[in-house]
Amino acid sequence: SAVISQKPSRDICQRGTSLTIQCQVDSQVTMMFWYRQQPGQSLTLIATANQGSEATYESGFVIDKFPISRPNLTFSTLTVSNMSPEDSSIYLCSVELYGIQEETQYFGPGTRLLVL
Amino acid sequence: GNSVTQMEGPVTLSEEAFLTINCTYTATGYPSLFWYVQYPGEGLQLLLKATKADDKGSNKGFEATYRKETTSFHLEKGSVQVSDSAVYFCALRPNFGNEKLTFGTGTRLTIIP
Repeated sequence: SAVISQKPSRDICQRGTSLTIQCQVDSQVTMMFWYRQQPGQSLTLIATANQGSEATYESGFVIDKFPISRPNLTFSTLTVSNMSPEDSSIYLCSVELYGIQEETQYFGPGTRLLVL
Repeated sequence: GNSVTQMEGPVTLSEEAFLTINCTYTATGYPSLFWYVQYPGEGLQLLLKATKADDKGSNKGFEATYRKETTSFHLEKGSVQVSDSAVYFCALRPNFGNEKLTFGTGTRLTIIP
């Protein structure tokens, strides 16, 4: 498995501001993903972040609102821009491991965001 | 497209009861199947997985068998504990093409002492 950390673990922000969430993995991985989990809901994939290329966004998510960086194989950031109360969610990063473990996604602990 | 249908929650059981959380899926080919668990205030943890038909995933007393004929991956545990209270997510991943996980809606489980 992989050890994944996220910063911050939680934050309370004012509307109109932006927050950058960091995701750090203890090993080099090709595939990293960012998900949103709205209160009481399942997970929705925001984008796939591969090192050395632009992130691939899912329908309903755009780069201007959720810019992503992936500078190396162990780190990624997700920015939630121009926040509104509707952005209050848990944001999770995940990584996919191959090989003996086969293709399995492991998740970070999440960042709990409340927008006032 | 791919989809996962989970048993509606919430589910409330007494300690030591038998647990079943139903999960059925629709997918092209033979996906890998997963159960993830989310304890209160935490992220998702992989609970168990199965990658081909008739495989049985198991962990922490939980089991699920990949049933191709019924396209199901039901989660079971013979005797639940209060510490099993969490939200359980069934998910699938295609074994070719895109690598995206498709999640079910989640089932909230509460175990009463």
